[in-house]
Amino acid sequence: QKEVEQNSGPLSVPEGAIASLNCTYSDRGSQSFFWYRQYSGKSPELIMFIYSNGDKEDGRFTAQLNKASQYVSLLIRDSQPSDSATYLCAVKWEDSNYQLIWGAGTKLIIKP
Amino acid sequence: NAGVMQNPRHLVRRRGQEARLRCSPMKGHSHVYWYRQLPEEGLKFMVYLQKENIIDESGMPKERFSAEFPKEGPSILRIQQVVRGDSAAYFCASSPRSDHNNSPLHFGNGTRLTVT
Repeated sequence: QKEVEQNSGPLSVPEGAIASLNCTYSDRGSQSFFWYRQYSGKSPELIMFIYSNGDKEDGRFTAQLNKASQYVSLLIRDSQPSDSATYLCAVKWEDSNYQLIWGAGTKLIIKP
Repeated sequence: NAGVMQNPRHLVRRRGQEARLRCSPMKGHSHVYWYRQLPEEGLKFMVYLQKENIIDESGMPKERFSAEFPKEGPSILRIQQVVRGDSAAYFCASSPRSDHNNSPLHFGNGTRLTVT
């Protein structure tokens, strides 16, 4: 059974601090990992994806992947109130080109 | 380049009625996916379609739900004889290819279905 787990939050972080969002998954056959941001009542939008162990940086965002421990995290540096949203983790396994398994999301609140 | 267009944004149906949700993919995208999202839950895959073909409908209930993506026009998700449990946000996403490694999903703004 493939599962993706996220802490539902809310995670409250002061403005300017680093927000750290975590995601764990159940099966070692996983291949690709995606972070989406979803504002309330809006559609998910892709922030980053990562395939290889280690860190991948894009502006204020860093994705960290550790396949041995089966977790992927998203760091947001210099958090802004506009970063307040729900962050969804999605995992693609090797046995499918297109099937994504989604976590329930972590609600992030950046306090001014 | 217009994004993924879904309509209606909000749809209210009484129990037993039919709901028809429409999705026009991004220009150049021939792969369409439908997802359902309940409050405080993640997205649940329903169906994957290419033009005129259903590729994978493993996430869609076998009764009352159907989907199509005709040669011309938008993709349609149809729910017959709706029940209260069908109330959810339904998102459509599109991509130019099936391999998400190289072509991540682009989502529409969703249709929020309320069954009274």
